[in-house]
Amino acid sequence: QQQVKQSPQSLIVQKGGISIINCAYENTAFDYFPWYQQFPGKGPALLIAIRPDVSEKKEGRFTISFNKSAKQFSLHIMDSQPGDSATYFCAGLTSGAGSYQLTFGKGTKLSVIP
Amino acid sequence: KAGVTQTPRYLIKTRGQQVTLSCSPISGHRSVSWYQQTPGQGLQFLFEYFSETQRNKGNFPGRFSGRQFSNSRSEMNVSTLELGDSALYLCASSHGDRDNQPQHFGDGTRLSIL
Repeated sequence: QQQVKQSPQSLIVQKGGISIINCAYENTAFDYFPWYQQFPGKGPALLIAIRPDVSEKKEGRFTISFNKSAKQFSLHIMDSQPGDSATYFCAGLTSGAGSYQLTFGKGTKLSVIP
Repeated sequence: KAGVTQTPRYLIKTRGQQVTLSCSPISGHRSVSWYQQTPGQGLQFLFEYFSETQRNKGNFPGRFSGRQFSNSRSEMNVSTLELGDSALYLCASSHGDRDNQPQHFGDGTRLSIL
């Protein structure tokens, strides 16, 4: 059972454009929703995260929009740069009952072309 | 503050052997989780340790095991290696005792089974 569905699988954006990645979840036990950025040969790096009682969070060029009723959330990258070219993963974190577990989407490979 | 450190970075083994991977969490973090990353299955949760106790375990066979030491460092062991165990094994750490705390990843150990 895929509990976090992520789309698109790949995305090509022009430099300066907006990159949008969408995720939908099923597990209502998720209580935190982080996004990770992964470059080849490196581990996932935390990019930005949101609690389910918040509808939007912005950090620099990165914004998470969260719709609790629809069980959907998205990442917007404004003014996309070639250095943003990486694979992005959305995730849901369960931290109840003293156990921490991330459930990841399948990832989106973003290519920003000059 | 030093990040999550995983050793070794690369390992080559043959079928039937066993392997031990090591993870040193961020200073002050007491929760250590392990994930397997493959192109086909993506990032999958293996298990989580907190204060030397396994709190949660993913859907992996008993050949995959782990432990955590009193200094929070963790090891993961895979016995009777199979070709399908070839993957990037990632370790993540967090405080583990408070809400909305993201997990921070190391750069992983790339395990190749011949």
